[in-house]
Amino acid sequence: AQRVTQPEKLLSVFKGAPVELKCNYSYSGSPELFWYVQYSRQRLQLLLRHISRESIKGFTADLNKGETSFHLKKPFAQEEDSAMYYCALGRTAGGYNKLIFGAGTRLAVHP
Amino acid sequence: DVKVTQSSRYLVKRTGEKVFLECVQDMDHENMFWYRQDPGLGLRLIYFSYDVKMKEKGDIPEGYSVSREKKERFSLILESASTNQTSMYLCASRGTGGIVYEQYFGPGTRLTVT
Repeated sequence: AQRVTQPEKLLSVFKGAPVELKCNYSYSGSPELFWYVQYSRQRLQLLLRHISRESIKGFTADLNKGETSFHLKKPFAQEEDSAMYYCALGRTAGGYNKLIFGAGTRLAVHP
Repeated sequence: DVKVTQSSRYLVKRTGEKVFLECVQDMDHENMFWYRQDPGLGLRLIYFSYDVKMKEKGDIPEGYSVSREKKERFSLILESASTNQTSMYLCASRGTGGIVYEQYFGPGTRLTVT
């Protein structure tokens, strides 16, 4: 079954500390993975995707097919990083492209 | 900038009422989606539409229906609202070009059914 697992509901860190939000997936094909973010009182938006291998707002995520993981990392957390983060898996079913979302992890960065 | 708007930010309805949630996008996107967002469950796909008058069931379609009479508008209908449909509802749209899985989300409608 296709599934995205985010094991932590809440991750609480202090400003300047490293951050790692965990994401594991199960998918039989070649996965396309994404991180979406929702800041307080804002709409959900795409943060980054594995295929572009980019760094956005200091965040990076590497796809590890051996461990079926796509963890989101940032070396030094900032207070403005506090938000809800969703890992998502792109899937094609019946010719349609859809996303499967994980349960989400709330990141709280304290001063 | 893609703009996805939803008709109401907050909605309170009674059990058994028929509820309409409206979503409008201004980017001529072919694909539109309705999700519900619940703590601990993330986003779950209710229905989606890939063209006018076309619709497909998502993962949790029971108790819901949809309508897409115009390209820019996608409506979610709760035929007879129940308390377990109290949730945040998110609409999203996506075009056929660009990043295949990049969806643009609306601000959400928080529905409470009493």
